[in-house]
Amino acid sequence: EVQLVEAGGGVVQPGGSLRLSCAASGFTFSSYWMNWVRQAPGKGLEWVGNIKQDGSETHYMDSVKGRFTISRDNAKNLLYLQMNSLKVEDTAVYYCARGSAYWGQGTLVAVSS
Amino acid sequence: DIQMTQSPSTLSASVGDRVTITCRTSQTINNYLAWYQQKPGQAPKFLIYRASSLETGVPSRFSGSGTGTEFTLTISSLQPDDFATYYCQQYDTYPYNFGQGTKLEIK
Repeated sequence: EVQLVEAGGGVVQPGGSLRLSCAASGFTFSSYWMNWVRQAPGKGLEWVGNIKQDGSETHYMDSVKGRFTISRDNAKNLLYLQMNSLKVEDTAVYYCARGSAYWGQGTLVAVSS
Repeated sequence: DIQMTQSPSTLSASVGDRVTITCRTSQTINNYLAWYQQKPGQAPKFLIYRASSLETGVPSRFSGSGTGTEFTLTISSLQPDDFATYYCQQYDTYPYNFGQGTKLEIK
């Protein structure tokens, strides 16, 4: 059974940093592109970015370019989202997803002073 | 960036009704369009890919169609479990934007 479990969310001050992780199981992690998608409270879905199977290629939405970095450790079946220079508008539930079909339950990031 | 426009934003309907949600894109996307269903407090559920292909396990009352820049999600006979928010997403060109969502409410 495919499972994706996010961790690392919490409350952080504006300008701070946070690293999210996503533990994958039930499939060959190194064979799939992986995505991060977020959802601000009461708002719609927003694609954050993704990473190629071997980590050699990443893509991001414009508003996080230069601040967020997606990486992966295929030996540990882990996906990461390093978030720096956080802004209030980054407050959201962050989901990891395998392609389109499989999603974690999300982890909440709250950026507040 | 490709702009995604869903309509309507809210739709009120009754059990048994046939409903259609529209997603328009600002440029052609080679039919690389997906539809998702999301209920409060839950992760999105993948319904349809490549505009019209039903994901395994999704009830056949759901269907997708369209080409070019206009796409639709149709639910042929609404069931109580279908009241939720629906999103389209294009995955042809980065960034892979979502539509703003359509909330399907019970009339």
